[in-house]
Amino acid sequence: QSALTQEASVSGTVGQKVTLSCAGTRNNIGSYAVGWYQQISHGAPKTVMFGDSPPSGIPDRFSGSKSGTTAFLTISGLQPEDEADYYCSTWDYSLSADTFSAQVFGGGTKLTVL
Amino acid sequence: QVQLQESGPRLVKPSQTLSLTCTVSGGSFRYDPYYWTWIRQPAGKGLEWIGRIQTSGNTNYSPSLKSRVTMSVDTSKNQFSLKLTSVTAADTAVYYCARGNELYFDLWGQGTLVTVSS
Repeated sequence: QSALTQEASVSGTVGQKVTLSCAGTRNNIGSYAVGWYQQISHGAPKTVMFGDSPPSGIPDRFSGSKSGTTAFLTISGLQPEDEADYYCSTWDYSLSADTFSAQVFGGGTKLTVL
Repeated sequence: QVQLQESGPRLVKPSQTLSLTCTVSGGSFRYDPYYWTWIRQPAGKGLEWIGRIQTSGNTNYSPSLKSRVTMSVDTSKNQFSLKLTSVTAADTAVYYCARGNELYFDLWGQGTLVTVSS
């Protein structure tokens, strides 16, 4: 059971706009920005978004946003090369003596380009 | 251009210790204000954060692995390392090293598959 909840799968056609979501709590997404990571064919992950800012070299069709305890990755103008697994991640802060603060991931969304 | 490369034994016997090293090239490792992180991915599953270390030696570990994990850093060799004790088949995974700040990872190694089997 992942700390962050993502759709298992999303699909879209070339040129379409798709939005992936990542749901958390006030202790993680509600408090911190979210990173998004693209993994193509089980290769090494690649960072595509820091909060609402893409790293250098990421196409501007990728955008990030957040509302409350849910983060979103939007791809405007879907391309065949965007087909991949996408993971969200952020820090989870705990003050409890029984748990610890840690980096948490979503379970991943498989994006299929039809 | 900074690059990360994992290295270490690809096969570990059950109950033994998994040891991996990540070599950082192309940057000023000793002075970089980053968190150096280990992440793993079992076959067909998602990403799992193992823990992170700074060059100061400050560490944070996953609660589920904390009792078995030790991370260290060697600034003279531009390397940081992972030790995971008492491994079982459940620890079989691709292990990635990554660079990041408090919230994000911006660079990843290519990953190395470690299999736990007798």
